[in-house]
Amino acid sequence: EAQVTQNPRYLITVTGKKLTVTCSQNMNHEYMSWYRQDPGLGLRQIYYSMNVEVTDKGDVPEGYKVSRKEKRNFPLILESPSPNQTSLYFCATGLAGVTEQYFGPGTRLTVT
Amino acid sequence: QKEVEQDPGPLSVPEGAIVSLNCTYSNSAFQYFMWYRQYSRKGPELLMYTYSSGNKEDGRFTAQVDKSSKYISLFIRDSQPSDSATYLCAMSANAGGTSYGKLTFGQGTILTVHP
Repeated sequence: EAQVTQNPRYLITVTGKKLTVTCSQNMNHEYMSWYRQDPGLGLRQIYYSMNVEVTDKGDVPEGYKVSRKEKRNFPLILESPSPNQTSLYFCATGLAGVTEQYFGPGTRLTVT
Repeated sequence: QKEVEQDPGPLSVPEGAIVSLNCTYSNSAFQYFMWYRQYSRKGPELLMYTYSSGNKEDGRFTAQVDKSSKYISLFIRDSQPSDSATYLCAMSANAGGTSYGKLTFGQGTILTVHP
């Protein structure tokens, strides 16, 4: 079954404690991206990757890091989380040159 | 000013009504226009995709793009309770090259279709 997997689905953490949200896909897609969704602000792109070892900033990259060492995985790293990073995070994947993106189920992060 | 503006609603309509959802944008470089549907507690799923100006129809859904007015619409005919969801417009400047990856979303419109 084609799918995008995110872990964890829910996470409550404290300010400054490093965390990683994983994203994995089994569709051999070149393109992967991270978004955050906040009430009244819609979906905002954090980082995206066109292929292995190729990443670029989206609209709100501050406070986040990513890496793309394998085609199937695109982890999102928060080195020192702050309360303003409390949000619903989505990973999305797609084929290069194709518009459709497949979204994961979301990760709800709370930073206290 | 946001690059993409979308009325968040909420919008409540009776079953069978025609629904009109709209977005305006300011970036004239946008060429690819999409509508996503997001059910509660789920990730968005692509509903419609159009390139440049014009109309596209898929069953009960019609997407319209007017680049001269920087305005896009999604129409839902014969709306059903199962259409109740948040609808997000999204736009991109390029489908290929390094610009492909950047998608800009509207805030989303919450739609409820009641029986």
